Amino acid sequence: EPEVTQTPSHQVTQMGQEVILRCVPISNHLYFYWYRQILGQKVEFLVSFYNNEISEKSEIFDDQFSVERPDGSNFTLKIRSTKLEDSAMYFCASERGTSSDSQYFGPGTRLLVL
Amino acid sequence: GESVGLHLPTLSVQEGDNSIINCAYSNSASDYFIWYKQESGKGPQFIIDIRSNMDKRQGQRVTVLLNKTVKHLSLQIAATQPGDSAVYFCAEPSGGGNKLTFGTGTQLKVEL
Repeated sequence: EPEVTQTPSHQVTQMGQEVILRCVPISNHLYFYWYRQILGQKVEFLVSFYNNEISEKSEIFDDQFSVERPDGSNFTLKIRSTKLEDSAMYFCASERGTSSDSQYFGPGTRLLVL
Repeated sequence: GESVGLHLPTLSVQEGDNSIINCAYSNSASDYFIWYKQESGKGPQFIIDIRSNMDKRQGQRVTVLLNKTVKHLSLQIAATQPGDSAVYFCAEPSGGGNKLTFGTGTQLKVEL
């Protein structure tokens, strides 16, 4: 069964450093998402991406965040200058885009900013 | 404001019993709901979904019930097993797009 994959599984970085989180969505899916989950809290939407552009973003997704689909398979989330409060699990999700489909999540990247 | 939330933060059941996890929503225009299971350290896993033109949908050992009158959603797990231990979230698309809004989750603990 196809699944969403994410790398790395864990990332530790210093405050102010740039990080890139990578995702490979399910191959025939057209919509891509990033969510995050701070420890002990609920999953929060960050950004959605369709047709090579951002379709929606949350207040969390400020100028320090960017997304890119550099080729036909990868979908990346970049945080330019990490802050302590960026520490969280980051989940990528993809969706085929038909009316009867839902989003399928990757295993997540645990980001720790020191 | 619009919200999707859960009644109980923790539910403990005996192995083999049935589990019922509840969810309330506030937007009467909501027409699609999804249940996700999240095991420790993993991403949310799709379990089952339901559209507002249905009041019940069954999967393998799971049933989702939708009561639009009281804006309530429930997930029933039959013959709960240790592997069912996880946090369960209800979620719905919101904001006019496909982004999902999640509830706070219910921790299901299965006791042997």
